[in-house]
Amino acid sequence: AQSVSQHNHHVILSEAASLELGCNYSYGGTVNLFWYVQYPGQHLQLLLKYFSGDPLVKGIKGFEAEFIKSKFSFNLRKPSVQWSDTAEYFCAVNARRSGGYNKLIFGAGTRLAVHP
Amino acid sequence: EAGVAQSPRYKIIEKRQSVAFWCNPISGHATLYWYQQILGQGPKLLIQFQNNGVVDDSQLPKDRFSAERLKGVDSTLKIQPAKLEDSAVYLCASSLGQSYNSPLHFGNGTRLTVT
Repeated sequence: AQSVSQHNHHVILSEAASLELGCNYSYGGTVNLFWYVQYPGQHLQLLLKYFSGDPLVKGIKGFEAEFIKSKFSFNLRKPSVQWSDTAEYFCAVNARRSGGYNKLIFGAGTRLAVHP
Repeated sequence: EAGVAQSPRYKIIEKRQSVAFWCNPISGHATLYWYQQILGQGPKLLIQFQNNGVVDDSQLPKDRFSAERLKGVDSTLKIQPAKLEDSAVYLCASSLGQSYNSPLHFGNGTRLTVT
């Protein structure tokens, strides 16, 4: 069955530190990959997505993610975090299915706290 | 554009009571989803509608949960009777189409506490 694993449940960083959040998925076919972010008190928002092409994708607020097909991974990175990046981050995978319909599977999430 | 609207934002009920949640998707979005997010876990798909038809309800506990999307716009999710383990945030999302390239837009969710 399709699944998504996020390696860290909680991450604490100081401002200006670099960030990398791990995400691995299990599915042998074609996938679309997403990172969603949920800031405190707000709804889930799309941070970035990978559909095809360049495996290094750039999203909003300086985030980027790299799709490594051989490792079934889609890790999220940011060179220098800010206090405002404090949020929960969810990796999600959408597998191409017969009939073409969406089924978005989420990881358990990583709660990031950035200290000034 | 207006986002996905959900109500209520919070609900506290006792076990064995019933509860209903309402969702209004983004105008023109044909596909609507209900997700359950238990504390410490990622959102789990309960049911997916394409217009007013069900596409996937494989993870919906049908003995107590029901959902409908009359006229292919608004949707309601009902729990009857509620159990303690139903305490969660219930998220509604919509997308323009059901193709797997169509990003989801989420509402703020309804936080349900069952005591």
